[in-house]
Amino acid sequence: DVKVTQSSRYLVKRTGEKVFLECVQDMDHENMFWYRQDPGLGLRLIYFSYDVKMKEKGDIPEGYSVSREKKERFSLILESASTNQTSMYLCASSPTNTGNTIYFGEGSWLTVV
Amino acid sequence: AQSVTQLGSHVSVSEGALVLLRCNYSSSVPPYLFWYVQYPNQGLQLLLKYTTGATLVKGINGFEAEFKKSETSFHLTKPSAHMSDAAEYFCAVSKAAGNKLTFGGGTRVLVKP
Repeated sequence: DVKVTQSSRYLVKRTGEKVFLECVQDMDHENMFWYRQDPGLGLRLIYFSYDVKMKEKGDIPEGYSVSREKKERFSLILESASTNQTSMYLCASSPTNTGNTIYFGEGSWLTVV
Repeated sequence: AQSVTQLGSHVSVSEGALVLLRCNYSSSVPPYLFWYVQYPNQGLQLLLKYTTGATLVKGINGFEAEFKKSETSFHLTKPSAHMSDAAEYFCAVSKAAGNKLTFGGGTRVLVKP
C-alpha cells in the first residue's frame, strides 16, 4: 500500500526557532513536494524536488528551505519560525510516469507561538 | 500560469440530494485535472482524475466529473449524498500527471440528515 509518512502530526514551536518537518515515502517515487494548507487558500506549493539533491521553488518559498539527501526523504526547514507560518503542512510524492497520482501524507499541524 | 477557482467555499446538502461542486481552471496547455477529498484531520485522498480520453470520469465513492474544454470546467457530482461525504473537496490542475499540482481554495461540504 502507498505510504507517505510525516514524522510529526502536531508541533508547537517558539518564534525564532529552527523547525524541521520530515517526510518519508516508501514507493521509490522521484518527485516529492511540500504544500502549505490554509483556510480559503487551498494548498500552496512551497518547494518540490524531482530527484535526489535537486529542488525547485514553488509559489511561496520565502522563509523555507528543503533538503533531499536520499530519494525517500524530503525535509522542510523553517530557518527562523514566525507566527505567520502557523499552518498545516502536507508532504506528497509521485512517480514521473504520466497518468500517475500524487500521494499525500496526513499532514503536520505547526503552531508558532 | 495555471489557476483553479472553486465556486463556493461551503456547500450544504441534504442526505440523498445531489452534490454538485464547481471547478473552473485556466491553463495554457491541455491540463490534467484532479479532485481530492480531505476528511477531518487527514491528508488528501484522490477521488478521480482526468488525463486523456473520455471526458466523463468516474471515481471512488460514487463521484464523477466531466471535463468540458469549451467551458474550462471540471465539476464534481454525486447523485445522492451520504453523511460520510461530509469533508473538504479540492480541485487541482497539472500540466502533466505526476507534476506539481495547483489547487483551488477548497469547498467544505456539510450533509444534513
